[in-house]
Amino acid sequence: AQSVTQLGSHVSVSEGALVLLRCNYSSSVPPYLFWYVQYPNQGLQLLLKYTSAATLVKGINGFEAEFKKSETSFHLTKPSAHMSDAAEYFCAVSNTGNQFYFGTGTSLTVIP
Amino acid sequence: NAGVTQTPKFQVLKTGQSMTLQCAQDMNHEYMSWYRQDPGMGLRLIHYSVGAGITDQGEVPNGYNVSRSTTEDFPLRLLSAAPSQTSVYFCASRPSGRNTDTQYFGPGTRLTVL
Repeated sequence: AQSVTQLGSHVSVSEGALVLLRCNYSSSVPPYLFWYVQYPNQGLQLLLKYTSAATLVKGINGFEAEFKKSETSFHLTKPSAHMSDAAEYFCAVSNTGNQFYFGTGTSLTVIP
Repeated sequence: NAGVTQTPKFQVLKTGQSMTLQCAQDMNHEYMSWYRQDPGMGLRLIHYSVGAGITDQGEVPNGYNVSRSTTEDFPLRLLSAAPSQTSVYFCASRPSGRNTDTQYFGPGTRLTVL
């Protein structure tokens, strides 16, 4: 069985500060890992994905994530937060590419 | 190219009523899926399809039926709505063959069951 744990349902950062959103997964086989962003009243948009190539993955809008197998983690970071980054962020895992398991989400607030 | 479209945007049902949530995509994607999003629960997969005529259950399939008669359409049916089915429903699609391809999500349907 696969699962995803996102630590911190709400994270607040100051504009210009580092963004760190945590994601840990459980999977019996090397997984595919994803980060999605959801703006209010919209669907989800892919930020980045890990597909067993480079462990450091760069995505859109300056976000990146590092796959650490030993820690079963796939934390999302951005060096400098922008007001437009305020949104809900979801981590997801899949083994087969057909069944996806999402975390419960982290709401990011950016303080001016 | 409209991407993934969902209708209706909002719906209110009474307990026991039936309805179909529509999902269509114009990207010729073979894989389509339905999720429900509940506060504090994230997104949970209801059903998915890897091509016309092929469907399978996800994590929370009970109370929902699907069919896939064409590549473009993947409707979700609630046969007898229950208050526990109050949720926001998202449809998504992606190309098959490369199962790490990006999933494209529709804008969602907000369903309330009274």
